[in-house]
Amino acid sequence: ETGVTQTPRHLVMGMTNKKSLKCEQHLGHNAMYWYKQSAKKPLELMFVYSLEERVENNSVPSRFSPECPNSSHLFLHLHTLQPEDSALYLCASSQEVGDRSYEQYFGPGTRLTVT
Amino acid sequence: QKEVEQNSGPLSVPEGAIASLNCTYSDRGSQSFFWYRQYSGKSPELIMFIYSNGDKEDGRFTAQLNKASQYVSLLIRDSQPSDSATYLCAVRRGFQKLVFGTGTRLLVSP
Repeated sequence: ETGVTQTPRHLVMGMTNKKSLKCEQHLGHNAMYWYKQSAKKPLELMFVYSLEERVENNSVPSRFSPECPNSSHLFLHLHTLQPEDSALYLCASSQEVGDRSYEQYFGPGTRLTVT
Repeated sequence: QKEVEQNSGPLSVPEGAIASLNCTYSDRGSQSFFWYRQYSGKSPELIMFIYSNGDKEDGRFTAQLNKASQYVSLLIRDSQPSDSATYLCAVRRGFQKLVFGTGTRLLVSP
């Protein structure tokens, strides 16, 4: 266990549904990330939150909406997704000190299937 | 050109041998480098990180960095079947952004 938890672990949703993915880190870190991992493709960074402020939005479609209410929790709200959004969604966290960002630790991921 | 390139493999080695995994990157400004191990159906697990040119050893793992050649490698000594996994190379570009390669699949046969 890395100290980063994600729920649910598996999610099947229709294209008209609205769902949310949850991530919680117990490491005392101050930066959190959402990544998407599709088959045969490298991990893609979606969003970065540093000290609860979004600092990166990597050209992600608006049907993905992140929320970071505090430094330990991160959500990814999903609505009107497409079948090509089916993937493993990974949350990660790291510690930032000054202008240095340290190693990222990943949660177990949510396997999302859009039907 | 991909930002981070890895041979997808599979790289097959016999148990007890040294496995050598390689990664090249395109951005000369990259500052730090990471190796993650990912078992099938699981999330990436951090194995090693290296910031300076040269070698860094941790148990059976050695990371090697050559910034002039834009090359980073991971050596696994005394490979075990439990080392069979996909190894992801990641390069930090900028403050927080990690750029990942597609990974090299390693198969260690008993």
